[in-house]
Parts: sequence; C-alpha cells; structure tokens
Amino acid sequence: EADIYQTPRYLVIGTGKKITLECSQTMGHDKMYWYQQDPGMELHLIHYSYGVNSTEKGDLSSESTVSRIRTEHFPLTLESARPSHTSQYLCASSDAGAGANVLTFGAGSRLTVL
Amino acid sequence: KNQVEQSPQSLIILEGKNCTLQCNYTVSPFSNLRWYKQDTGRGPVSLTIMTFSENTKSNGRYTATLDADTKQSSLHITASQLSDSASYICVVSDRGSTLGRLYFGRGTQLTVWP
Repeated sequence: EADIYQTPRYLVIGTGKKITLECSQTMGHDKMYWYQQDPGMELHLIHYSYGVNSTEKGDLSSESTVSRIRTEHFPLTLESARPSHTSQYLCASSDAGAGANVLTFGAGSRLTVL
Repeated sequence: KNQVEQSPQSLIILEGKNCTLQCNYTVSPFSNLRWYKQDTGRGPVSLTIMTFSENTKSNGRYTATLDADTKQSSLHITASQLSDSASYICVVSDRGSTLGRLYFGRGTQLTVWP
C-alpha cells in the first residue's frame, strides 16, 4: 500500500472558488511531483519539488501554485478555479530523481469545476 | 507527436487468456523504461522497471521485455484475471538521475471479461 495520501479524492466546485489539493507522504522522500491527467491522455508534469522551499514548474503550463514548507507535505492551490481546470491531479514522490527511480503515486484528486 | 506510443489503445480479453501490450518509443538518450498499472480512479502503481542492459523482467504474471535497439517494449500478461482490468502505462526516462525527464504513453485500457 502506497504511503502517499491525497485529499480530497473528489471535489466539485463553482467557477471562481479557491481550492487546495492536499498531498502528504510518510516515506521521507525529498522529491515530490504533481501531474495532471485527462481521460485517455498521458500524464503531464505541472509542478515538482526537490526539497523544502524548492519548487519548480513542470512541462505543462498551469495556473496552479505549490508550496513545500515541510518534507512530507506538498499542497497544490488554484486561486480561482475555472472549468478548464477540470481534471485528475496526481501527486507522486520518490527518494531519488524521477529519472532514476520509480515514482510512488497517490490515489489522485478528481476536480470538477462547474 | 508523443515520444511514447502504446498499442492497442484498448483491448478486451476473456478471463484466463494471455495478452501482450506494446510500447514503442523515440526518447533519446534512453535510461530506463517502466510499466505502470492504473486502476480506474486510482494512481498508477509500478509493475517493472528496466534499464538498457535488461531485456526481460517479470513480476508475477506480468513479464516485460525490452529491445533497446528497436526501441520497443512489450508487457505480457499470463492467465488474466478480472483484477487485471486497468490501464497499463509505459513510461520512458531519458536520464537515470535527478535531471531525468519522464515521457508517458497514453496507456492501453485492458478489460478482462468473465
């Protein structure tokens, strides 16, 4: 069983609302990642972090922001949600870099913006 | 064009039958290739990871092969079970390090019928 947890699992909100997707891992991994996944499409990296106070944007442009104040916690925030933000968001972590080692994924947060 | 192409896009088989999923990639340089299983509504779970020098790796009823010369990989599932119904994702890394970038396929959706 993966030791990486995402909440909420499902969220339906109205346009313009601020939302935060939580991600926590208990494995002590330095590297954490946020991916966006639409049905039938490949995963796209939107944010990553190599440690506390380190965050970078990924390959896919995203209006979301992230923070890494604690090793185990990597929340993603949308200040003003729009229907185009409707998607599945997957959090992942690894002890080495993503290129060197497998990622452990959370169960995902499915966001629907009306 | 995606640098990792998977086929077929979807597949339906009867319980107890074998099947083979294909992955072709153009990623260069190449470091390693992973296969993930993603159940509906869940995050991907790693099945195998293979480096350039490995041409086969097994995990229970799952056997992955890699031909780095032709840039092809396959995932063979033996004696399928209903629980094998999932999306199978091929992922290629270009560097075995923190700087490594991951390239995701769109997955093959496998359905096992009783």
